[in-house]
Amino acid sequence: EPEVTQTPSHQVTQMGQEVILRCVPISNHLYFYWYRQILGQKVEFLVSFYNNEISEKSEIFDDQFSVERPDGSNFTLKIRSTKLEDSAMYFCAGREGGPNEKLFFGSGTQLSVL
Amino acid sequence: AQKITQTQPGMFVQEKEAVTLDCTYDTSDPSYGLFWYKQPSSGEMIFLIYQGSYDQQNATEGRYSLNFQKARKSANLVISASQLGDSAMYFCATAGRGSTLGRLYFGRGTQLTVWP
Repeated sequence: EPEVTQTPSHQVTQMGQEVILRCVPISNHLYFYWYRQILGQKVEFLVSFYNNEISEKSEIFDDQFSVERPDGSNFTLKIRSTKLEDSAMYFCAGREGGPNEKLFFGSGTQLSVL
Repeated sequence: AQKITQTQPGMFVQEKEAVTLDCTYDTSDPSYGLFWYKQPSSGEMIFLIYQGSYDQQNATEGRYSLNFQKARKSANLVISASQLGDSAMYFCATAGRGSTLGRLYFGRGTQLTVWP
């Protein structure tokens, strides 16, 4: 069964460094998302992406964050200058659109900012 | 805005028994979807089941069924014939329909432990 693939599974970085989290969505998915889960807290929506542009973003998704899908397959989340509070599990998700409303998540990238 | 409440931080069930995980929601959207996800200790988020607010029948996916009571705004997950591998955190989530469907609002989760 097709899966949403995320790399790396773990990323450790120094505060102030840039990180790029990568996702390969399921091939027939049209809508893409990033979520994060800080340890012990709720899963939180960051951003949605459709037709090569952001369709919605939360208040968490400030100027330090950006997303792109440069080659039609990889979907990336960039954090420009990481902060300690960016430490979290980051999930990529996708869905087909149309009548199929199921949202499928990747296995996540655990980001640790030191 | 949407809000999900999962009142059971932890649940215990014996193998082969059924268990119900509670979820209530509050939404201003006239049309919405309800989701359940499983998160094992390895961390991935596994889709279990989806219910649309206008679906006439309760959703079922194998051993999972969703007891949807629209008037009470509840969407409880029923797991039949529990297995040891069902031990995990379970999250209920809701989203509006249409273009905002993918913006899910999650509850805090219920930690399910299945014992032999």
